[in-house]
Amino acid sequence: EVQLVESGGGLVQPGRSLRLSCTASGFSFDDYAMHWVRQRPGKGLEWVSGVIWNSVHIGYADSVKGRFTISRDNARNSLYLQMDSLSPEDTALYFCVRDPTVTGVGRLDLWGQGTLVTVSS
Amino acid sequence: QSALTQPRSVSGSPGQSVTISCTGTGADIGSYNYVSWYQHHPGKAPKLIIYDVNKRPSGVPDRFSGSKSGITASLTISGLQTDDEADYYCYSYAGSNTGVFGTGAKVTVL
Repeated sequence: EVQLVESGGGLVQPGRSLRLSCTASGFSFDDYAMHWVRQRPGKGLEWVSGVIWNSVHIGYADSVKGRFTISRDNARNSLYLQMDSLSPEDTALYFCVRDPTVTGVGRLDLWGQGTLVTVSS
Repeated sequence: QSALTQPRSVSGSPGQSVTISCTGTGADIGSYNYVSWYQHHPGKAPKLIIYDVNKRPSGVPDRFSGSKSGITASLTISGLQTDDEADYYCYSYAGSNTGVFGTGAKVTVL
């Protein structure tokens, strides 16, 4: 089955770190760019970060630049998001998303179900 | 990276057509033909319905169509059906390996 499964979410205190993982199955992971998208409670979708197939090009939203790091391991069919210096504003459902374009310009054609991150003391 | 501007809500009766606008800037929609649209039923994963401004993935009915003029993209839903009631988001590539979503529009079928 073609799917993306996120894990690693949970409750974390402000200022602490968390690492999200996304495992892909049913398709050739290294043929695709990948993104993280989040949705804060009661709010809209927000693009967080993206990486092309070979990790040469990576981008971040201004809201997370310098605090979050995206990476991928094609041998493990996995995408990661290292989140440091977390604040309550990072509380959200985080989606792992597939993008079939070579340059990662955003044709987000497969979404995971999301993993919930709650930042609170 | 300011969010693209969409109307908060749009409504129509079954069978009618509705159009959702998505206004950006010269740095995103105005510079690239990489606008996509997503349908999001609460509690479910968002679904790609339009990419590259006006292309439909296989399986998406031709009732959904997209267009762009200048810094504004639009999604039109023709022959509105009850199952079309959902949140709709536009997305644009914004250069330098970044992207930006719209503020989201809730479509209500009256």
